[in-house]
Amino acid sequence: EAGVTQSPTHLIKTRGQQATLRCSPISGHTSVYWYQQALGLGLQFLLWYDEGEERNRGNFPPRFSGRQFPNYSSELNVNALELEDSALYLCASSYGRADTYTQYFGPGTRLTVL
Amino acid sequence: KNQVEQSPQSLIILEGKNCTLQCNYTVSPFSNLRWYKQDTGRGPVSLTIMTFSENTKSNGRYTATLDADTKQSSLHITASQLSDSASYICVVSGGAGNNRKLIWGLGTSLAVNP
Repeated sequence: EAGVTQSPTHLIKTRGQQATLRCSPISGHTSVYWYQQALGLGLQFLLWYDEGEERNRGNFPPRFSGRQFPNYSSELNVNALELEDSALYLCASSYGRADTYTQYFGPGTRLTVL
Repeated sequence: KNQVEQSPQSLIILEGKNCTLQCNYTVSPFSNLRWYKQDTGRGPVSLTIMTFSENTKSNGRYTATLDADTKQSSLHITASQLSDSASYICVVSGGAGNNRKLIWGLGTSLAVNP
């Protein structure tokens, strides 16, 4: 069974640009979560999508947004990039709520903002 | 305030030695506690999950314990290997009803040296 996949592996952008990150969940999983992990810091919850709807978001500005497609894959968009957005962005999928079901993480997308 | 604190922040041990990592939480009401292993630059991988009624769970050389009365958990690694070098993250699920969510610790960085 294929795991969670993310693309691209690495992404380099300049300040002010937009970044789009993609995630494909494990087959059968309907929930997708996005996390930001800055260097040396813990995981910060960004967004939770389930059945195509945004269910919850963390304490991040509106320029962090996303969506979930009918096939449950997901996209994270970051507008007006700032230097501090440089981080590893992790996607996780599960059968449902993360507090009930185990999350399975992808390898991440390393975003560098210059 | 719901919090998860891990200690030590970092740890260096020699290959073959045992070690114990600590996790203290103030999450209430408590639902479950998980330990994840995160290799550098990769997504976390679930090691164990324990509910209120469980006080020990093993996964190979990893043994997690939970004391729900003192709100403490530990992760014991036996006969460490070089591949155990990683960050170990404690995650607690808690909160009431629709406010239930995951609270992530900052992790313990373990280095196993030859």
